[in-house]
Amino acid sequence: QKEVEQNSGPLSVPEGAIASLNCTYSDRGSQSFFWYRQYSGKSPELIMSIYSNGDKEDGRFTAQLNRASQYISLLIRDSKLSDSATYLCVVNIVGGSYIPTFGRGTSLIVHP
Amino acid sequence: GAVVSQHPSWVICKSGTSVKIECRSLDFQATTMFWYRQFPKQSLMLMATSNEGSKATYEQGVEKDKFLINHASLTLSTLTVTSAHPEDSSFYICSARDARGLSPLHFGNGTRLTVT
Repeated sequence: QKEVEQNSGPLSVPEGAIASLNCTYSDRGSQSFFWYRQYSGKSPELIMSIYSNGDKEDGRFTAQLNRASQYISLLIRDSKLSDSATYLCVVNIVGGSYIPTFGRGTSLIVHP
Repeated sequence: GAVVSQHPSWVICKSGTSVKIECRSLDFQATTMFWYRQFPKQSLMLMATSNEGSKATYEQGVEKDKFLINHASLTLSTLTVTSAHPEDSSFYICSARDARGLSPLHFGNGTRLTVT
């Protein structure tokens, strides 16, 4: 079982809708979780960091962490065409040196 | 925010030559740097992890004699692709993290290598 699981998509949503991206992780001791966005041909950029159970909001983005279920999500409100990208879930797996472990990424397509 | 500068952003070289890619953390001390390679429409593949002052740890299947990594200071790591071949053409991305294990990675803008 892969340590960080994401549905590869694509997830297609209309402009203005809410996009919901999900991720599960296997290491129960993990303590830091991140969402990155990667446009085609570009390097990933950090969108959100979350360290404690519950929700964390930043503008149109909300990250949610549920440690009991080992589940992280990213909600994007009022989706824009420019949100079309691949979203990477990254978990710092506990194991000596907090190895950043990537999900395969979910492709999001926001259509007019 | 934390900035990682990667140079060059693109390079074209002839088969058999070597190419050096630099990765610098501009406003924080990068205790650990990671080097990734990404082929079109594929996921990031971790090549190696380097800690300042130590030898890099390479992932399985990555030739350490071909991909030389040096992390001599807390702000600079280099990746040298030696005797490059067309199959080494790819998008190489570095990322850096400070000493706090819970910190996020900060990525450079990547280097697109084309070997002719």
